[in-house]
Amino acid sequence: GQQVMQIPQYQHVQEGEDFTTYCNSSTTLSNIQWYKQRPGGHPVFLIQLVKSGEVKKQKRLTFQFGEAKKNSSLHITATQTTDVGTYFCAGSDQTGANNLFFGTGTRLTVIP
Amino acid sequence: DGGITQSPKYLFRKEGQNVTLSCEQNLNHDAMYWYRQDPGQGLRLIYYSQIVNDFQKGDIAEGYSVSREKKESFPLTVTSAQKNPTAFYLCASSVGTNSYNEQFFGPGTRLTVL
Repeated sequence: GQQVMQIPQYQHVQEGEDFTTYCNSSTTLSNIQWYKQRPGGHPVFLIQLVKSGEVKKQKRLTFQFGEAKKNSSLHITATQTTDVGTYFCAGSDQTGANNLFFGTGTRLTVIP
Repeated sequence: DGGITQSPKYLFRKEGQNVTLSCEQNLNHDAMYWYRQDPGQGLRLIYYSQIVNDFQKGDIAEGYSVSREKKESFPLTVTSAQKNPTAFYLCASSVGTNSYNEQFFGPGTRLTVL
């Protein structure tokens, strides 16, 4: 079955440092979504990538979709304490599935 | 105020008892989903429903059951057959029935089986 792996599982950074989480799929993805879950909260949608090699930015966040559509990354520039949480990628394979496979998540801690 | 509600927020049950978790949405979404979240394992799909009176098993459906009698409601029953039911359960919904639609999550129910 489809698997979506994320690395690292945990990341501690000093406030102001950059942060990157990587998402890798065993199969080619039709699309990938990113979600953020604050501590004690629920996942909230951030963005979706669909095209091969696509790059999207949201302020300090940069999202990339690999050329082969098997991997994706989320990069945060100059982290702030408000960035704390777990970041999940979620993808769907190209068989037209009606549900997403969520990655294992990367928990980000920002040290003030 | 539109959204997804789950109740209760915390639930305690004795081993061997069935328990039903509530999920209601007023977003007029067709698709609804149930996920289980355990530490370090991300979100795993239990069941999903694309339309009223229809639902499909996800990756970890054993020991769970659902119903979709109304568009707004998608309750999940954790049966005594579920070997390790203690977890955080998240309900979600989306506009359409394909994976390109973003999912909106409820606040979750934390179930502890004693």
